[in-house]
Amino acid sequence: GNSVTQMEGPVTLSEEAFLTINCTYTATGYPSLFWYVQYPGEGLQLLLKATKADDKGSNKGFEATYRKETTSFHLEKGSVQVSDSAVYFCALRPNAGKSTFGDGTTLTVKP
Amino acid sequence: NAGVTQTPKFRVLKTGQSMTLLCAQDMNHEYMYWYRQDPGMGLRLIHYSVGEGTTAKGEVPDGYNVSRLKKQNFLLGLESAAPSQTSVYFCASSPLGGGAGSGELFFGEGSRLTVL
Repeated sequence: GNSVTQMEGPVTLSEEAFLTINCTYTATGYPSLFWYVQYPGEGLQLLLKATKADDKGSNKGFEATYRKETTSFHLEKGSVQVSDSAVYFCALRPNAGKSTFGDGTTLTVKP
Repeated sequence: NAGVTQTPKFRVLKTGQSMTLLCAQDMNHEYMYWYRQDPGMGLRLIHYSVGEGTTAKGEVPDGYNVSRLKKQNFLLGLESAAPSQTSVYFCASSPLGGGAGSGELFFGEGSRLTVL
């Protein structure tokens, strides 16, 4: 079956530090890949996505590139802010299929 | 812009009581899902629906029932609540999969359930 493995957290960074959260996946075919973000007390919301190999998803300074050769979709941001503190989920979805989520990585950014 | 709305937001139950969580979406999405979120365990799929009148089991369906009588609503029922069902429940919806721009899930804000 499909699976998503995320870098274990929690991750604590100082403001303006560089962020990487690793995500690797196992799936047949060519699923779409997603990063969702969950702020405290809220539901998940889409941060970015990529639908085919070598696509780069980007939003709010975050980026992730769909790497089929390494089955990875690592999330990066060059300079984090306190407001980026949240839980980040990597996910995949086959065409018309059910989504599979990683366990989530908690990010805390300190001023 | 309501999106996905869950009711109630909070509920405390005693063991053995029953209750229903309601999820409503106004985006005309075909797919709807119920997840539970527990500390350290990410999101686990309880039940889902691929269209009005259809439901299917997810990873952790035991102790729950669902119904999708109308396309916009997806109900999650607990017939006899147990402390192990204490969790935060999220409803989500999505359009049909396939094609650029589709496939993402739209989540509600969650319903926090405590079973004593």
